[in-house]
Amino acid sequence: GQQLNQSPQSMFIQEGEDVSMNCTSSSIFNTWLWYKQDPGEGPVLLIALYKAGELTSNGRLTAQFGITRKDSFLNISASIPSDVGIYFCAGPSNDYKLSFGAGTTVTVRA
Amino acid sequence: GAGVSQSPSNKVTEKGKDVELRCDPISGHTALYWYRQSLGQGLEFLIYFQGNSAPDKSGLPSDRFSAERTGGSVSTLTIQRTQQEDSAVYLCASSYIRLNTEAFFGQGTRLTVV
Repeated sequence: GQQLNQSPQSMFIQEGEDVSMNCTSSSIFNTWLWYKQDPGEGPVLLIALYKAGELTSNGRLTAQFGITRKDSFLNISASIPSDVGIYFCAGPSNDYKLSFGAGTTVTVRA
Repeated sequence: GAGVSQSPSNKVTEKGKDVELRCDPISGHTALYWYRQSLGQGLEFLIYFQGNSAPDKSGLPSDRFSAERTGGSVSTLTIQRTQQEDSAVYLCASSYIRLNTEAFFGQGTRLTVV
């Protein structure tokens, strides 16, 4: 399947901070998806991107589809405690099967 | 139903027993995935069903694991002769390929092998 590299692996956030994470792939994607998983829950789709260069927002979340079609980033503005969780990027291969990044674990700094 | 439904939500089994985990995908979704997730870890791909195509079983960790999807809808993941290292959360997801590739996840089944 496609190789997705997601970074950072983990991050600590201070309430009110803006944070960013990104994902790169070994080949071109036509779609980028970003998910968030809360403890004890299944991942939930946050944002879907379908066009190179596309910038899409969902509340305090903003994601961009890189113009090379091999990368995407997710920004969270003005972090709040409920932003903690694991964030996954994902994209489909030629047979539409989704590949997922390893995840970015977001924790609140005390 | 409105979303992907998995049952049971929790399962405790004795080492060596067989278990069956069930997934009811969103109605009409043509693709179905099974993933395994250990505590605090990422999503480990197990198997992918896409319409009438042969399933992609490349992620199944051993021949003790098998899955089927009956009538293009409900799927069952079977683990035979369970081992303690099989303890994890098993997640199912489905998507409607002809529209887009967005996948929607169930709540998962937490399997504990004692």
